[in-house]
Parts: sequence; C-alpha cells; structure tokens
Amino acid sequence: GAVVSQHPSWVICKSGTSVKIECRSLDFQATTMFWYRQFPKQSLMLMATSNEGSKATYEQGVEKDKFLINHASLTLSTLTVTSAHPEDSSFYICSARVSGLYTEAFFGQGTRLTVV
Amino acid sequence: GIQVEQSPPDLILQEGANSTLRCNFSDSVNNLQWFHQNPWGQLINLFYIPSGTKQNGRLSATTVATERYSLLYISSSQTTDSGVYFCAVTNSGNTPLVFGKGTRLSVIA
Repeated sequence: GAVVSQHPSWVICKSGTSVKIECRSLDFQATTMFWYRQFPKQSLMLMATSNEGSKATYEQGVEKDKFLINHASLTLSTLTVTSAHPEDSSFYICSARVSGLYTEAFFGQGTRLTVV
Repeated sequence: GIQVEQSPPDLILQEGANSTLRCNFSDSVNNLQWFHQNPWGQLINLFYIPSGTKQNGRLSATTVATERYSLLYISSSQTTDSGVYFCAVTNSGNTPLVFGKGTRLSVIA
C-alpha cells in the first residue's frame, strides 16, 4: 500500500511555543490531505482538510489561527500548533489518498504532542 | 453527516477464541475501511471493503452495502490482536473518512 510518513512521532514543548508537524506522501501525490486529532480513549475527529495550493478547510470549532495548515506541494502538508497550551496536548494524525475517487486512505504514524 | 456505530465497545477474549465486530452506518457509502490501532497509536489498514467479502489470514470482513453494515471477523485470536479496531466510511468523492468510536479488544493468554 501507499506510505504516509509523519514527523515527529512525539514532541514535548513549553506552553506558548509553536510546534510544526509534517505529513508526507512518500510514493504518491496527494492533492488533498486530512488532519485528525485523537484524545485518550476516544475516536479520531477530523480537524481540517488540507488542499494543495489553496487554503485549508477547517471543521467547526477548530481555530484556524491556532492550527495553521500549509499544503505547499503534492507530497507535503504541515500542521503548526501556534502558542500551544496544555489543552492542545493530543495525538495528531494525518491521512492521504492516492488521487482518484473512492480510493483507500492511508495514515501517518501520528504525533503525540505534550504541552507543559 | 453520516453516522457510524460500532459494537461492541469493549471485548475481552481468551487467546484462541473467535470474534465478530460490527459496524453500522447511516447512509450509503463508497468507501469503508477497517483499521487496527496499535498501542503506539498507529493505524494499520486491515481492509478496504466498500462492498463484498475479503480475507487476509485470520481476519476477514464482509460489507453488505444495501443493508448498511460491515462485519470484521477475527479467528484464533492472539494477544497481538489486542488494541482498538475502527471502522471508517465516506460517501462522496475525495472527502475525509468518518470514524466510529471503535471496539477495544483485549486478548488474554
């Protein structure tokens, strides 16, 4: 299957600082990538849809100024958590599909963010 | 939007036992996937199965799209099967998957 690589796997940062998470499709191009967040013992919740060359689409309740998404190329999307606070601590995971309708989605390894 | 319900929420099995996990969805779908989330959080693709039946080793899955449900079968369970199993669907084009709440499986030796 296709490979989606996410980096870093885990990060600890101080409150008030910013953290950037990268999501790469290694062996295919993805015009659209998706960012999810997962709190302990809960399911994955969609945060935003990242579109190559255009603005991201955010789900209701997700602050676009806090969670900056940049999809600068067909193989890379980044999520920057700005001015992080302890309540932003969570597991963030990205997803991409090979371009085309109804194709299988693949997920990165996820990033565990802890804000202290 | 589309709703996804998984059952049971929790399941404890003795090693070697078989199990069936269910996923119900509220609308027609064109993509349905089953995942296993391991203890490190990584989502492992098990099946891409918008309809029909597939098998992969001790795992198999069946989706009856007309009746809006999918089943994941685990046979001869092993302790390494422990984790959370998610069903996720989408019903249009290049839209994101919607996840169920998952089934937390514990296989004990």
